[in-house]
Amino acid sequence: DTEVTQTPKHLVMGMTNKKSLKCEQHMGHRAMYWYKQKAKKPPELMFVYSYEKLSINESVPSRFSPECPNSSLLNLHLHALQPEDSALYLCASSQDRGLGDSPLHFGNGTRLTVT
Amino acid sequence: AQSVTQLDSHVSVSEGTPVLLRCNYSSSYSPSLFWYVQHPNKGLQLLLKYTSAATLVKGINGFEAEFKKSETSFHLTKPSAHMSDAAEYFCVVRWNNNDMRFGAGTRLTVKP
Repeated sequence: DTEVTQTPKHLVMGMTNKKSLKCEQHMGHRAMYWYKQKAKKPPELMFVYSYEKLSINESVPSRFSPECPNSSLLNLHLHALQPEDSALYLCASSQDRGLGDSPLHFGNGTRLTVT
Repeated sequence: AQSVTQLDSHVSVSEGTPVLLRCNYSSSYSPSLFWYVQHPNKGLQLLLKYTSAATLVKGINGFEAEFKKSETSFHLTKPSAHMSDAAEYFCVVRWNNNDMRFGAGTRLTVKP
């Protein structure tokens, strides 16, 4: 069982819908991450929050909007997505972004399909 | 630019035989090194990490990795493959400047 919980496990949405992905961790980690993973590829970094502040946005389109309400929660708000945005979205956390040897702990992901 | 190279996109072994998954990285700064495993439709699970202590690192499920600075390598091994080891494996490197890169992944197939 993973210590990072993501909901929902699966999501199908139309291009005009608005939906949100949720991620929760209770390990006291202060860095949280969103990754996008296409089939047979490594995860690609989208956003990093450090101490609840957005520290990295990897030039992600504005139809993806992250939010970190508190140190345990991370959301990804989705609006007007395109079919090519269909992917596995992974949330991860680490103890502190500044600690180089602090590993990432991943959730099981949300499988998103945009129709 | 810093980079991580997993030399094999696909490795196939028979059950009970050794596993070797290869990873090389560029060496601009002293890195922390990790191996992760991903089973289908799951997240990534940490197998082991190297953080400048012992060069031979033991991980979960019988996996080990050896850090070789002179070769800038961090290859993953297991003496005897099990059917449940079939998965995608990612080598991940984080440098002192906090730049973190994933290798492209190696798909391990285990034949009965």
